[in-house]
Amino acid sequence: GQQVMQIPQYQHVQEGEDFTTYCNSSTTLSNIQWYKQRPGGHPVFLIQLVKSGEVKKQKRLTFQFGEAKKNSSLHITATQTTDVGTYFCAGLSIQGAQKLVFGQGTRLTINP
Amino acid sequence: SQTIHQWPATLVQPVGSPLSLECTVEGTSNPNLYWYRQAAGRGLQLLFYSVGIGQISSEVPQNLSASRPQDRQFILSSKKLLLSDCGFYLCAWSVNGLRGTQYFGPGTRLLVL
Repeated sequence: GQQVMQIPQYQHVQEGEDFTTYCNSSTTLSNIQWYKQRPGGHPVFLIQLVKSGEVKKQKRLTFQFGEAKKNSSLHITATQTTDVGTYFCAGLSIQGAQKLVFGQGTRLTINP
Repeated sequence: SQTIHQWPATLVQPVGSPLSLECTVEGTSNPNLYWYRQAAGRGLQLLFYSVGIGQISSEVPQNLSASRPQDRQFILSSKKLLLSDCGFYLCAWSVNGLRGTQYFGPGTRLLVL
């Protein structure tokens, strides 16, 4: 079945440094979604990407969808302590069962 | 606006005891409903989903079961808890089929001793 892999599993940065997490799907996706889970909290939807090569920005966060629609990335510029949490991608395959498959997440910790 | 409720927030249960976690959604009709489990520091494992009353799909064979007695109510149950059932249980809802954006509830932390 479809698999969605995220790397790295963990990332620790100094406040002010940039951070990137990568998401790779075993199948071509019709869309990809990103979620953020703060420590002790529940996942919260951030954004959805649909088009090949799409780039979307939310303040310091930049989301990209690969040209082949099999990978995506989330880049945070100049991290702040409020960025701490686990970031999940979730992909919807164009084939097979039409439901979202979540990656295992990247846990971001920040040294102030 | 839509809201999703889960209770209890935290639960400590002995091995072999039964379990019932409840999730309700307000402000939307005929949502798709989901139960996820998240082990400590790990990703989200989809356990069950439901597209309508009485319709349950199981993703992972285990000693848990789910029921949807009403349109906006989703229940996760077990007859006998195992140590491996520990985790953070999240209910979620979506519209536009199973592909839609998922909105998660606050979750229930279950500790089995």
